[in-house]
Amino acid sequence: QKEVEQDPGPLSVPEGAIVSLNCTYSNSAFQYFMWYRQYSRKGPELLMYTYSSGNKEDGRFTAQVDKSSKYISLFIRDSQPSDSATYLCAMTAKAAGNKLTFGGGTRVLVKP
Amino acid sequence: GAVVSQHPSRVICKSGTSVKIECRSLDFQATTMFWYRQFPKQSLMLMATSNEGSKATYEQGVEKDKFLINHASLTLSTLTVTSAHPEDSSFYICSAPPRQGAAYGYTFGSGTRLTVV
Repeated sequence: QKEVEQDPGPLSVPEGAIVSLNCTYSNSAFQYFMWYRQYSRKGPELLMYTYSSGNKEDGRFTAQVDKSSKYISLFIRDSQPSDSATYLCAMTAKAAGNKLTFGGGTRVLVKP
Repeated sequence: GAVVSQHPSRVICKSGTSVKIECRSLDFQATTMFWYRQFPKQSLMLMATSNEGSKATYEQGVEKDKFLINHASLTLSTLTVTSAHPEDSSFYICSAPPRQGAAYGYTFGSGTRLTVV
C-alpha cells in the first residue's frame, strides 16, 4: 500500500464547476501538506500548503486537512479551462528528512 | 517567491555520452536540493538529496555512479547523467525548500526532458 493515495482520474468537469480533489495517507507523522499543479512537460507549481487540520483559502482554491481521518482535499471554485492540469498532493515529515512524499496525481480536464 | 531555474529544458544526446543538468536558486540560498525523475503519466520519483558542501544521499535503487550530483555552492546543484542509455530517457526535475530546514513551500525547476538516442 502506498503512503499517499490519490485517484488518478481523469476528472472531467464543465467550466465554472467546482473541482474536488483528495488524498488519503497512512503515515501519521506527516505534518505539512501541499498541493501542486503540473502542466504537461513542466515542473510542479505550488498552489497551497497547510499545517494543521482545518481549512485554508486562497482565491479560488480551498485546502482542507483532517488529520484524524488522514484525509486532505483541494477545492477549485469557478473552474476554468486553464485549470486543466495534473494536481499532486504532497506531504512532509521531519522524521523523513522533510522529503516530499507525493500522491500519484489526479488529471483534471475542465471543458469549456 | 523562491525561484529555481533549471537548464536545459530539453536535451537529446547519443547513447554513451554524458549530460549535465543545472539547477540554480535565483533569489534564495538552496542548502538542500532534491532531484526527481518522472515517467509519462506517473508521479515524481525522488532520486537523491544533495546538500551544499557534502555528498548526495541517493534513494534505494538509484545508481550513484550513473547519476552524479554536485552541490558545490548555495545557489547551484547539478545532475550529470553519465554514459546515458535510452532507458535513462525521462523528465528530470529539481526542487528546493525556500530556506534551510523548511518543511513546506518547496519550489520546483521547470524540468529537463532528456532523450537518449
